[in-house]
Amino acid sequence: DAGVIQSPRHEVTEMGQEVTLRCKPISGHDYLFWYRQTMMRGLELLIYFNNNVPIDDSGMPEDRFSAKMPNASFSTLKIQPSEPRDSAVYFCASRGQGFGIQYFGAGTRLSVL
Amino acid sequence: GQNIDQPTEMTATEGAIVQINCTYQTSGFNGLFWYQQHAGEAPTFLSYNVLDGLEEKGRFSSFLSRSKGYSYLLLKELQMKDSASYLCAGGSNYQLIWGAGTKLIIKP
Repeated sequence: DAGVIQSPRHEVTEMGQEVTLRCKPISGHDYLFWYRQTMMRGLELLIYFNNNVPIDDSGMPEDRFSAKMPNASFSTLKIQPSEPRDSAVYFCASRGQGFGIQYFGAGTRLSVL
Repeated sequence: GQNIDQPTEMTATEGAIVQINCTYQTSGFNGLFWYQQHAGEAPTFLSYNVLDGLEEKGRFSSFLSRSKGYSYLLLKELQMKDSASYLCAGGSNYQLIWGAGTKLIIKP
């Protein structure tokens, strides 16, 4: 398996622009997680899906952030409008059923100028 | 509240042994994970404890005491490539709480 695939790897944008991050989980995995990592706050869970349904979005910072999972092989995290404080590395992870290992994608490094 | 604590930074010498501790308080608990994260890369899975005791995997071992809310990661025969951050994460099926990570610096 190719593992969790994220795109783009790097994104540089200007404040106010819309940003869309993409993730393809490992085939057969039922859970998909979106995380944000910064030096100050460490790894934070933003939202997770089970069988394409959002289960817990309490970590989403504000209404500017939204996430979708239209099918089992694709998810997006959108920020609109983006702000400089959104600059971080965003990771997508997936796992199978039960209390299992989460496998992380390579991440998207977002810089909002 | 829910919390995972681990030291911010540790330094060790190449060839030596180092133990990274993690204490946790979570509302539900199924087990505890250790992940390794090199600078600029994604976290990668190292080990997983569900029951009390020691799990050994080559140079790396992890220990769990559920009654004490305590775990440690033991790294033996340290190599320069072990310089990384080590993240402890624990919780239930529904919520995994992540520590801030321990940055391990290996000196020759």
